[in-house]
Amino acid sequence: GAGVSQSPSNKVTEKGKDVELRCDPISGHTALYWYRQRLGQGLEFLIYFQGNSAPDKSGLPSDRFSAERTGESVSTLTIQRTQQEDSAVYLCASSLSTNQPQHFGDGTRLSIL
Amino acid sequence: GQQLNQSPQSMFIQEGEDVSMNCTSSSIFNTWLWYKQEPGEGPVLLIALYKAGELTSNGRLTAQFGITRKDSFLNISASIPSDVGIYFCAGPNSGNTPLVFGKGTRLSVIA
Repeated sequence: GAGVSQSPSNKVTEKGKDVELRCDPISGHTALYWYRQRLGQGLEFLIYFQGNSAPDKSGLPSDRFSAERTGESVSTLTIQRTQQEDSAVYLCASSLSTNQPQHFGDGTRLSIL
Repeated sequence: GQQLNQSPQSMFIQEGEDVSMNCTSSSIFNTWLWYKQEPGEGPVLLIALYKAGELTSNGRLTAQFGITRKDSFLNISASIPSDVGIYFCAGPNSGNTPLVFGKGTRLSVIA
């Protein structure tokens, strides 16, 4: 499709397990972003990638969170040793470049039991 | 970092009424964006504003970029049930850095 694609759409896992979330950005978009959205809350910036520059990791809440991006394509967000407070919707967005309008995927709803 | 304050936090209106919500910042923004998020989906871009004083419409939606560059408002005319959702304002933090989002205005429309 033409939009940002995220998978899985839902993920339920036990506390302490690792999870990996995937994002396929819009083709040609050099910037890619990850956000966390807790129930009823706004978007919390986690990390962004711009081209081949070093990613801005300033929003990652702990060292259990990491993300990678291959070139200007797919990105994965990894959460290690998940905790219940990690339960949230994780949204990915991409844009032609930073400070351009971002286009969002529908998110991965993560539930930690 | 810069923060965006949205008001009201939530609104309950009757179908057919007009709606107005706004977004303010303590610092200047050069771009204002308005997004809508429906349950179970990601935010969708509604309107982008790039120039102080700019007034832009998208169907029943109208948004304005404040002259001071520190605020923006979004109006929805003749609301309908499908307008229900959370409306977010956003703008670049500074220079070539990612967007900052407000906490959203949750709109409920009573038929």
